[in-house]
Amino acid sequence: GEQVEQRPPHLSVREGDSAVITCTYTDPNSYYFFWYKQEPGASLQLLMKVFSSTEINEGQGFTVLLNKKDKRLSLNLTAAHPGDSAAYFCAVSAYNNRIFFGDGTQLVVKP
Amino acid sequence: SVLLYQKPNRDICQSGTSLKIQCVADSQVVSMFWYQQFQEQSLMLMATANEGSEATYESGFTKDKFPISRPNLTFSTLTVNNARPGDSSIYFCSSREGGQYFGPGTRLTVL
Repeated sequence: GEQVEQRPPHLSVREGDSAVITCTYTDPNSYYFFWYKQEPGASLQLLMKVFSSTEINEGQGFTVLLNKKDKRLSLNLTAAHPGDSAAYFCAVSAYNNRIFFGDGTQLVVKP
Repeated sequence: SVLLYQKPNRDICQSGTSLKIQCVADSQVVSMFWYQQFQEQSLMLMATANEGSEATYESGFTKDKFPISRPNLTFSTLTVNNARPGDSSIYFCSSREGGQYFGPGTRLTVL
């Protein structure tokens, strides 16, 4: 089945810096990609869903890049602030609407 | 988007007992998914549940241990049979409609 590798597992940045989280996946038939934010004790908040045809997707304060050739998905938080501190997960869907998650990145943004 | 509600939001039970977790969607959804998340780890897809058919389980999860019912398009129940301390985790239901959304989770502690 699909294998999703997420790096780094832990990331600490200063307020105002950028933070980049990257996922690689194995199934070339993957066509739907997701990024989630999870704060302690909370459920998953969908940040962005990306369809395979769009390589660059912009959200509020972040950009998601998809490189299908390299099977890589990245989340770039620009000008991170302490409120961005949380766990971030990528997820990939190939077929049957099943999605598989990366192992997560614990992001800490220091003031 | 779809709103998902889960009940209970947390439970504590003794080893060997069974418990049920309910998931209700605010609109009809074709597929519901159940995920397990151990503390600060990734989410593991347990099973996919469609109305009127038996749930499809992922490797490592069985019908005997985690029976799932899906009686209609807005409701699903996950049962944890013969609960063990190793089952202590958070259980999320999820649906795919319009994106991949998650319920608030049920935190289970097995003593």
